[in-house]
Amino acid sequence: NAGVTQTPKFRVLKTGQSMTLLCAQDMNHEYMYWYRQDPGMGLRLIHYSVGEGTTAKGEVPDGYNVSRLKKQNFLLGLESAAPSQTSVYFCASSWSTDTQYFGPGTRLTVL
Amino acid sequence: EDKVVQSPLSLVVHEGDTVTLNCSYEVTNFRSLLWYKQEKKAPTFLFMLTSSGIEKKSGRLSSILDKKELSSILNITATQTGDSAIYLCAVCKSNYQLIWGAGTKLIIKP
Repeated sequence: NAGVTQTPKFRVLKTGQSMTLLCAQDMNHEYMYWYRQDPGMGLRLIHYSVGEGTTAKGEVPDGYNVSRLKKQNFLLGLESAAPSQTSVYFCASSWSTDTQYFGPGTRLTVL
Repeated sequence: EDKVVQSPLSLVVHEGDTVTLNCSYEVTNFRSLLWYKQEKKAPTFLFMLTSSGIEKKSGRLSSILDKKELSSILNITATQTGDSAIYLCAVCKSNYQLIWGAGTKLIIKP
């Protein structure tokens, strides 16, 4: 059981470039989440999904898009990266319960 | 607006000391309160507290939920250097969304 995995682990982008972060889970969880974590601000929810084919906006969705074409995968896209999107991104998953399980994170720097 | 506030923001103690971390919340449709520990990477789950389970204990760690005061504490006794981490508090709403506090950075000096 790999749990929740994220790729890539690190990435450096130039302003205006695009990229996709991949999250995969092998626990058959219905719910999946994308967060960003910035110093002193805790975790902020970007988008989430309550099942295959569904997505919803979280607290800070602007500048990001997501897709959940398969139950085990949740993709986070940045169409035109900005320096304000420099952050550590965490994916998490859960059954329809309270406890979320986190991936190892992706450190993204936008120059 | 929903919010979760943790205090203190950071704390430095010596090995063997006892620490108490605080979490207060103003969240609509409260379902549960969770504590996580974050070392260098991903947060890992510690406790979940609900109206039917307001006190949890695991080894040297324990936590209590005070629904009247809308707060929770996390206690760590006989601290060890391995307890150094950021401790995160989150409130789960009825739609299973988590509202997170900013965390308490705990440093244990040998």
